[in-house]
Amino acid sequence: DTGVSQNPRHKITKRGQNVTFRCDPISEHNRLYWYRQTLGQGPEFLTYFQNEAQLEKSRLLSDRFSAERPKGSFSTLEIQRTEQGDSAMYLCASSFGVRTGELFFGEGSRLTVL
Amino acid sequence: QKEVEQDPGPLSVPEGAIVSLNCTYSNSAFQYFMWYRQYSRKGPELLMYTYSSGNKEDGRFTAQVDKSSKYISLFIRDSQPSDSATYLCAMSARSNYQLIWGAGTKLIIKP
Repeated sequence: DTGVSQNPRHKITKRGQNVTFRCDPISEHNRLYWYRQTLGQGPEFLTYFQNEAQLEKSRLLSDRFSAERPKGSFSTLEIQRTEQGDSAMYLCASSFGVRTGELFFGEGSRLTVL
Repeated sequence: QKEVEQDPGPLSVPEGAIVSLNCTYSNSAFQYFMWYRQYSRKGPELLMYTYSSGNKEDGRFTAQVDKSSKYISLFIRDSQPSDSATYLCAMSARSNYQLIWGAGTKLIIKP
């Protein structure tokens, strides 16, 4: 049983560049979440998919952020025109069933914007 | 004021001690309470999941919810150096609602 896989694990980019992260959830999980976490803080919700449908997106999320889950399997999170404030750990989680809080997280993709 | 408050620590205790980690919250609608453990540079891992008030035990871990005081606790018995991590509480009002997270408490178990 493979867990949630995220790539790349670490991305260093210059301000203004675009970056894309990929998440492969646990295969039988129909729900997929993206969170952002900065040092000393809990995860901050970004967006949520059930199968291929994006059901919720944080109101705090800039329009530079976009996420897709084209076939209800893997998902991508793209950040356009990156800013230094985007530097963070981007976490993907998946779940199955009604227990909303039972999330399985990947190891995260760390973004450093110079 | 944040909806969920958690002391950031660090909390440093000797190996074998009983550890108590706590969160307070302000929203009386919260019914689902979780504790996650996060090792450095890793994703969070679910430890305990409880619904409403009461206690739940799993091995060396006990989760306690006191809804009247809006206070939840995680107890770790016979603490081990491998328990050194950041412990995050999370909660939600209803199933399928988004989680509200605490900022995490860093725990250090000294050998």
